[in-house]
Amino acid sequence: AQKITQTQPGMFVQEKEAVTLDCTYDTSDPSYGLFWYKQPSSGEMIFLIYQGSYDQQNATEGRYSLNFQKARKSANLVISASQLGDSAMYFCAIRTVQGAQKLVFGQGTRLTINP
Amino acid sequence: DTGVSQDPRHKITKRGQNVTFRCDPISEHNRLYWYRQTLGQGPEFLTYFQNEAQLEKSRLLSDRFSAERPKGSFSTLEIQRTEQGDSAMYLCASSSTDSFGAEAFFGQGTRLTVV
Repeated sequence: AQKITQTQPGMFVQEKEAVTLDCTYDTSDPSYGLFWYKQPSSGEMIFLIYQGSYDQQNATEGRYSLNFQKARKSANLVISASQLGDSAMYFCAIRTVQGAQKLVFGQGTRLTINP
Repeated sequence: DTGVSQDPRHKITKRGQNVTFRCDPISEHNRLYWYRQTLGQGPEFLTYFQNEAQLEKSRLLSDRFSAERPKGSFSTLEIQRTEQGDSAMYLCASSSTDSFGAEAFFGQGTRLTVV
């Protein structure tokens, strides 16, 4: 079975600062993909970034980067130069071959950006 | 294409009534997923279709739940004899390829309240 653990229920950050959201995962499958989604109060899940288990470099997408440490089974999301619009719930998720094509999500971190 | 759409956005029903939700995926996507999200939790996988075939069902999907995807286009999720514990956000997602990196696009969800 696959599992995602997000240990930070809430984070408070000043605008323009960088923030790191923690994610650790557990799987016995050597082939997997890690995803981060943002969920604003409207409810829609918005894809942010993806990291494959065999990718040699950390993924980056604009202000988002993924700090992938395979040996530690961690996939932390880094948001640079935070903005007020970044306030939302953030979910880490894993997809594996053994788990078919479904995403297994963590419990999420609520990020609040203060002006 | 306007993305994944779900209808209705909100549904209030009395305990014991049947409800049906609809999901229209992105038109060229052959994979469709249903998730359930309760307050303060991450989404939990319910079921998954590839075209019209239902390939996997979670143990969360009791016999009161049924999902269909006729002709591999839109999908419906029906809950019979609703219970208060069914109150949740029901999310639909679609994706297009077998690649691990294929992001799942989510709809805005249907929020069900059972009174």
